[in-house]
Amino acid sequence: DAGVIQSPRHEVTEMGQEVTLRCKPISGHDYLFWYRQTMMRGLELLIYFNNNVPIDDSGMPEDRFSAKMPNASFSTLKIQPSEPRDSAVYFCASSPDRNNEQFFGPGTRLTVL
Amino acid sequence: AQSVTQLDSQVPVFEEAPVELRCNYSSSVSVYLFWYVQYPNQGLQLLLKYLSGSTLVESINGFEAEFNKSQTSFHLRKPSVHISDTAEYFCAVSEGLSGGGADGLTFGKGTHLIIQP
Repeated sequence: DAGVIQSPRHEVTEMGQEVTLRCKPISGHDYLFWYRQTMMRGLELLIYFNNNVPIDDSGMPEDRFSAKMPNASFSTLKIQPSEPRDSAVYFCASSPDRNNEQFFGPGTRLTVL
Repeated sequence: AQSVTQLDSQVPVFEEAPVELRCNYSSSVSVYLFWYVQYPNQGLQLLLKYLSGSTLVESINGFEAEFNKSQTSFHLRKPSVHISDTAEYFCAVSEGLSGGGADGLTFGKGTHLIIQP
């Protein structure tokens, strides 16, 4: 298996632009998690899905952030409009079980100028 | 709700010396425990995990961790570190199969292990 796939690996954009991050989970995994990692805040859970359904989005910082999972093999995290404080590394992770090991993607490093 | 405390944000150690990275958790139910490692510019990788059974768990690269229920700890140890062990280490906890609680893992803030030659 190729593992969790994220794209793009790096994204540089200007403030106010829309940014879309993509994730392909490991086949057969029912849970998908989106995290944000910064020096100041560490690793934060933004939202997670179970069987393509969003379960908990309480970690999404504000309405500018949205996430979708249209099918079992694809999820997006969108920021519109983006701001410099959104600069971070965004990770996607998937898991076959509710509370067991999560498999992380390589991350997307987002820089908003 | 569970929480994880990694008391040390940074641990400098000389090469070939032993190291212990501390992790304490709080939870009202039985837990699963994990250590992840993050090398520079990479995602998190599972190092080892405790689900049940023996309280001492080992990784393939010489790390071990011991689940101590009375002290609510899951400290990570290695008897002799190498330069290649330089990385960020995250402790995480989940509520196992107890049900009722939140899904997923709760992560600590991480400990940066710095190996000095």
